[in-house]
Amino acid sequence: ELKVEQNPLFLSMQEGKNYTIYCNYSTTSDRLYWYRQDPGKSLESLFVLLSNGAVKQEGRLMASLDTKARLSTLHITAAVHDLSATYFCAVENTGTASKLTFGTGTRLQVTL
Amino acid sequence: NAGVTQTPKFRILKIGQSMTLQCTQDMNHNYMYWYRQDPGMGLKLIYYSVGAGITDKGEVPNGYNVSRSTTEDFPLRLELAAPSQTSVYFCASRDDATNEKLFFGSGTQLSVL
Repeated sequence: ELKVEQNPLFLSMQEGKNYTIYCNYSTTSDRLYWYRQDPGKSLESLFVLLSNGAVKQEGRLMASLDTKARLSTLHITAAVHDLSATYFCAVENTGTASKLTFGTGTRLQVTL
Repeated sequence: NAGVTQTPKFRILKIGQSMTLQCTQDMNHNYMYWYRQDPGMGLKLIYYSVGAGITDKGEVPNGYNVSRSTTEDFPLRLELAAPSQTSVYFCASRDDATNEKLFFGSGTQLSVL
């Protein structure tokens, strides 16, 4: 059974600081996804990582995937308040319908 | 395009009542999914479908049923609602040709009292 763990679960950081969210998973997969969720809202796709060594960047967020280590990171550079949200990683199960297993999420709070 | 549309947005049920959560997508996606999200938690897969007429159980299917008579619609039925089914329910779809990101609906917040 595929298990996905994120850490930290909660992160409070000051504006302007850098930090990394980690996503570990338990079985082989080549595809990993990062989503953002604002309170009371649906999930918004941030990144799709489709192979080992994949790196994607959008603004102050950069995501990477190491399939050998079964690890993905979401790096935040010079955080701003607008980045406050919950971030989920999701790993694709091999097999029928390519189901995604989600991590428990990292709640990010960026303070002034 | 409307994307993935869920109704209702909110609902309160009494224990033992039944209801259907509606989900429709206009992107011609074959893959559709139902997830539930408990407070402060990640999403857990309830049921999924790979095309009209084909459905299968996910991680937490007990107490739910689904059907997929058309490509567009994937309703989720709750029979005999229980407090443990209080959650936010998300429907999602995916293009099986590109197999990339899930498109999510806006969610249904359900309380069972």
